[in-house]
Amino acid sequence: QQQVKQSPQSLIVQKGGIPIINCAYENTAFDYFPWYQQFPGKGPALLIAIRPDVSEKKEGRFTISFNKSAKQFSLHIMDSQPGDSATYFCAASMGSSYKLIFGSGTRLLVRP
Amino acid sequence: DAMVIQNPRYQVTQFGKPVTLSCSQTLNHNVMYWYQQKSSQAPKLLFHYYDKDFNNEADTPDNFQSRRPNTSFCFLDIRSPGLGDAAMYLCATRKQGGMYQETQYFGPGTRLLVL
Repeated sequence: QQQVKQSPQSLIVQKGGIPIINCAYENTAFDYFPWYQQFPGKGPALLIAIRPDVSEKKEGRFTISFNKSAKQFSLHIMDSQPGDSATYFCAASMGSSYKLIFGSGTRLLVRP
Repeated sequence: DAMVIQNPRYQVTQFGKPVTLSCSQTLNHNVMYWYQQKSSQAPKLLFHYYDKDFNNEADTPDNFQSRRPNTSFCFLDIRSPGLGDAAMYLCATRKQGGMYQETQYFGPGTRLLVL
């Protein structure tokens, strides 16, 4: 019940495409859902995050869609660029400790 | 620039030889985390400090210990590294309270190789 399931494992799109990465969770006590971006040899960096009281959040080219009833959330990257090639992790946490449970990651490659 | 620093970036140790990884931060954050990330896997939380209060995850092996002598520094001690402990070790910090208290800031990681 503490798991966050992420798919796909890897994704290849052409420049300008809209990759979509999906995550699902079981524990309805989760109340914070961030996405982290990780480049090779670097630590993860927060990309965008959402709380379950909203269904969508947009920051620049990155959008989170959140479906509370389905217990699913997804990341959309508009007008993807080769520089977006990285591994993306969804995560979830509950309460004030903000201990993150990470999904298994999606390796994204954006071809020029 | 305020940041999370991890040293060394690469560490090679021998099977069973104790090793210490270090993390320092200039962000003055009161919460610090240690994660283990194995190749092509998600980061997995080992333990965290809320100020000086140590919080161990239930499934963290006893082989892993941690020290936080002050706000800025945190150490990960692996008492007897096994081959299965080869991984990237990530340190993260967070400031409890305030507008962005949810955000964890990660260091670049220390890649540990066990021979």
